[in-house]
Amino acid sequence: QVQLQESGPGLVKPSQTLSLTCTVSGGSISSGGYYWSWIRQPAGKGLEWIGRIYTTGGTNYNPSLKSRVTISVDTSKNQFSLKLSSVTAADTAVYYCAREGTSFDPWGQGTLVTVSS
Amino acid sequence: QSALTQPASVSGSPGQSITISCTGTSSDVGVYNYVSWYQHHPGKAPKLMIYDVSKRPSGVSNRFSGSKSGNTASLTISGLQAEDEADYYCSSYTSSSTWVFGGGTKLTVL
Repeated sequence: QVQLQESGPGLVKPSQTLSLTCTVSGGSISSGGYYWSWIRQPAGKGLEWIGRIYTTGGTNYNPSLKSRVTISVDTSKNQFSLKLSSVTAADTAVYYCAREGTSFDPWGQGTLVTVSS
Repeated sequence: QSALTQPASVSGSPGQSITISCTGTSSDVGVYNYVSWYQHHPGKAPKLMIYDVSKRPSGVSNRFSGSKSGNTASLTISGLQAEDEADYYCSSYTSSSTWVFGGGTKLTVL
């Protein structure tokens, strides 16, 4: 079955850009008509949807993050990526990638990104 | 967009039933049947428990059920078991082509 795995630096300095990649295995990212989403959870807080991408490149973003977020897809590598610019301590969170149909399933295991100097 | 409203915590004894509510607006829960529920144990990936308001994925116990009335969706867990203790989140698609989550509910099995 389809599995997702996040990767990227676990520590980012304030004002820099957070970059994460989600690798999809067990199926093609281009098949099935799915969107591919990023979701995060700050420590002690709830889940927050960041944004999504379709394999044709169409995107939608959370309005509260839209000015800082870019999501892209590389179908040749079966990957999609997240870039979040001008990060602050408030962006410290566990970041998840997930396949999106009419719900989110499956999810990656998540990766902790800490914003600190 | 504002988060969906869930109670911060609920509790129940083994064998009992509990219901978690998820209140949104006429721009999300009230207009779309794309409401889903996730079980989240700390340190693990969230697990889909209910999708499209009331559908159960293969492998999820039939002790879990979902419903919706107006702008409020609900998750009911019957025959509570110790393993059900976790955080539960609802999610809904919105009229802005975005998704919104609830703040999460901590379920304690007494």
